[in-house]
Amino acid sequence: GEQVEQLPSILRVQEGSSASINCSYEDSASNYFPWYKQEPGENPKLIIDIRSNMERKQIQELIVLLDKKAKRFSLHITDTQPGDSAMYFCAASGPSSFSKLVFGQGTSLSVVP
Amino acid sequence: AQTIHQWPVAEIKAVGSPLSLGCTIKGKSSPNLYWYWQATGGTLQQLFYSITVGQVESVVQLNLSASRPKDDQFILSTEKLLLSHSGFYLCAWSLGGGRDEQYFGPGTRLTVL
Repeated sequence: GEQVEQLPSILRVQEGSSASINCSYEDSASNYFPWYKQEPGENPKLIIDIRSNMERKQIQELIVLLDKKAKRFSLHITDTQPGDSAMYFCAASGPSSFSKLVFGQGTSLSVVP
Repeated sequence: AQTIHQWPVAEIKAVGSPLSLGCTIKGKSSPNLYWYWQATGGTLQQLFYSITVGQVESVVQLNLSASRPKDDQFILSTEKLLLSHSGFYLCAWSLGGGRDEQYFGPGTRLTVL
């Protein structure tokens, strides 16, 4: 089955700088790649996603890139703020009647002043 | 707008005791429903999914079972809890029909002693 690797596990950046999180997947049939943000004690929130028919997607300060040949995708947060501090999870799923999301191990992002 | 509720908010249970966790979604008919488990500090593991009433498929069992007695209700249960069942249980929904976006409920924090 699908496996998703996520790096780094811990990321610490200066406020106002950019943060990048990288994920790789194994199944070339995977076609949907969401990113979730989870704050301590809370449920994960879907923040941005990309499908295999796209290479780049941006929502405000969030940019997602997808390289299907390399089977890699990444999240870039520009102009980070303390409120961006949280756990971030990438995930992948393939074509199916249901959404079988396989999650990466998570990245703990800390934005320091 | 869709709303998703989970109950209870938190549980402390003894090893060997039974468990029943519930999830209700309002505002959407015939959603796909999912159960996830998250160990403290860990990633999200999809346990079960259901596309329609009365039908549940297992992804990873972990000595748990799930049922969908009504269109808007999803139940996770076991007759005998293990220490390893401790964690955060999240219900999620998606529209189905190729719409992959999953949205999580607030979760139930389970501690098994």
